[in-house]
Amino acid sequence: KQEVTQIPAALSVPEGENLVLNCSFTDSAIYNLQWFRQDPGKGLTSLLLIQSSQREQTSGRLNASLDKSSGRSTLYIAASQPGDSATYLCAVVKTSYDKVIFGPGTSLSVIP
Amino acid sequence: GAGVSQTPSNKVTEKGKYVELRCDPISGHTALYWYRQSLGQGPEFLIYFQGTGAADDSGLPNDRFFAVRPEGSVSTLKIQRTERGDSAVYLCASSLGGGERGPPREQFFGPGTRLTVL
Repeated sequence: KQEVTQIPAALSVPEGENLVLNCSFTDSAIYNLQWFRQDPGKGLTSLLLIQSSQREQTSGRLNASLDKSSGRSTLYIAASQPGDSATYLCAVVKTSYDKVIFGPGTSLSVIP
Repeated sequence: GAGVSQTPSNKVTEKGKYVELRCDPISGHTALYWYRQSLGQGPEFLIYFQGTGAADDSGLPNDRFFAVRPEGSVSTLKIQRTERGDSAVYLCASSLGGGERGPPREQFFGPGTRLTVL
């Protein structure tokens, strides 16, 4: 059974700092991996999607890497801003169909 | 274009009551998913529709939970005899689909329905 974990559970950093969020999954047979952002009381916003054949994806100040063989992904946020404060969820999609397995999330707080 | 919408945004009910939660997917999306998110946790898969049929309902916690999608568009999640442990945010997502014969497509999520069972 696929399990997704995220470390740390919560993180508080001063504005401007670069930071890394970690995600691990137990079954390397994934089709893709996504990072989502969730603001309090809101739905999920997709940030980056990495296909299993890819090593990384970049969008603005965000960079996500994938090491499928070791079951790990990292989300790198450069020059963090208070507006980045949210919960970040890592999720994997199983091979063969679309069911998404989510991690528990990392709650990020960027202090002005 | 409109995204995934869910109604109501909030639902408060009493233990033992019946509730229905509605999801309007993005037009043209054949695949629809329901997830449940408890406080402090990531969403957990409940059920997946490809068209009108439930392709995978393995995430439904028990027989009090049921979902339908009669015309392959709008879906309703139905919970009978609600319990306090059913309190959570219920998220719906849709995608262009792919199923077992094609690659998974990106899912787009609605804002969720926050269900509180008193």
